[in-house]
Amino acid sequence: AAGVIQSPRHLIKEKRETATLKCYPIPRHDTVYWYQQGPGQDPQFLISFYEKMQSDKGSIPDRFSAQQFSDYHSELNMSSLELGDSALYFCASSLGGYEANYGYTFGSGTRLTVV
Amino acid sequence: AQSVTQPDIHITVSEGASLELRCNYSYGATPYLFWYVQSPGQGLQLLLKYFSGDTLVQGIKGFEAEFKRSQSSFNLRKPSVHWSDAAEYFCAVGVGGNKLVFGAGTILRVKS
Repeated sequence: AAGVIQSPRHLIKEKRETATLKCYPIPRHDTVYWYQQGPGQDPQFLISFYEKMQSDKGSIPDRFSAQQFSDYHSELNMSSLELGDSALYFCASSLGGYEANYGYTFGSGTRLTVV
Repeated sequence: AQSVTQPDIHITVSEGASLELRCNYSYGATPYLFWYVQSPGQGLQLLLKYFSGDTLVQGIKGFEAEFKRSQSSFNLRKPSVHWSDAAEYFCAVGVGGNKLVFGAGTILRVKS
């Protein structure tokens, strides 16, 4: 079965650079969630989209922005990167927005290293 | 505020021994509770979840968890651990809007 695809798997950027992370949800899933997991930390909710509209926002820095496109894939844009942004970024998808009742499927994550 | 506490950062068990990973939550309403497993370099895989009903929940890979409202706990158990169970385990609570709050995780090591 198709899973949530995240690209790239690994990304190395320098401080103050920009990074774009991509997430391709399971086919027909209309909701995407982004989580950030710092080294040795638990995943923290960043932002979610349902039907191409932002549905919830968590602890996402102002330097980050995200959107969901017409084909339901999502991109997380991160500017002015800081060392503290080094983390594993997970995307998850589900069907039906809040009706999904936490029926997430997570991708394998993008590991961002800022040097 | 909603929170999840996993008091054990690391646990080591012998292969074939039983396992219990502890999880306590703080949430005002009836909680939606989850256990996820994360192998190195991998995503989060759902082991089991509790929404309502029977407080003993069966999951994949032989895992089960028991919801105890009086103790605000949702401990994960497995009667006989296999070497392939070595991973990090996260307990999580649903806090509305399909958002999850995770515990800090417990790293399970299995010794042969």
